[in-house]
Amino acid sequence: KAGVTQTPRYLIKTRGQQVTLSCSPISGHRSVSWYQQTPGQGLQFLFEYFSETQRNKGNFPGRFSGRQFSNSRSEMNVSTLELGDSALYLCASSSGRRGQETQYFGPGTRLLVL
Amino acid sequence: SQQGEEDPQALSIQEGENATMNCSYKTSINNLQWYRQNSGRGLVHLILIRSNEREKHSGRLRVTLDTSKKSSSLLITASRAADTASYFCAPSSGYSTLTFGKGTMLLVSP
Repeated sequence: KAGVTQTPRYLIKTRGQQVTLSCSPISGHRSVSWYQQTPGQGLQFLFEYFSETQRNKGNFPGRFSGRQFSNSRSEMNVSTLELGDSALYLCASSSGRRGQETQYFGPGTRLLVL
Repeated sequence: SQQGEEDPQALSIQEGENATMNCSYKTSINNLQWYRQNSGRGLVHLILIRSNEREKHSGRLRVTLDTSKKSSSLLITASRAADTASYFCAPSSGYSTLTFGKGTMLLVSP
């Protein structure tokens, strides 16, 4: 089975712009979770989508949003970028079912905001 | 979901030695997972231990879970330079949301 893929792998934006990141989960997985990783805050949970619905949400401002499509692919959008949004953004997929909690991570998208 | 706290923050050992890192958490869990992250890359799932299990092995990895103390440990035996990475624990109530601590940074020197 192919692993989780994320595009793009690297991105440079300027303050005030917006960005969309994409994540393709492992085939058959219906849950996609997004995480932000920074040196200062570590790994922080952004949100989880299951069957096109946001099932859980972390403590991030409304500038961070996401969606999931019927094929389980997910996108994450950040509007009005700030310098502090520079981070490694990771997505992870799982079956989403109780008893199958292992998450499989993609390689990440490294975002630099100038 | 709840966050695990890994200890120590950093660990430096020689190849061939064993590495032990610990994880503590605050409330009851359904399972606890350990992940590894090589520098700047995605996390790799290592092992999952359920709340009714006390010990689990996978290759050179041994994980223990003490639910009465709300703690877990990860032992890597006969460490190799390739084990150099950050290690994270993720206590879970059983759904997909995982919350990670700061991790333990392991450096294995040849």
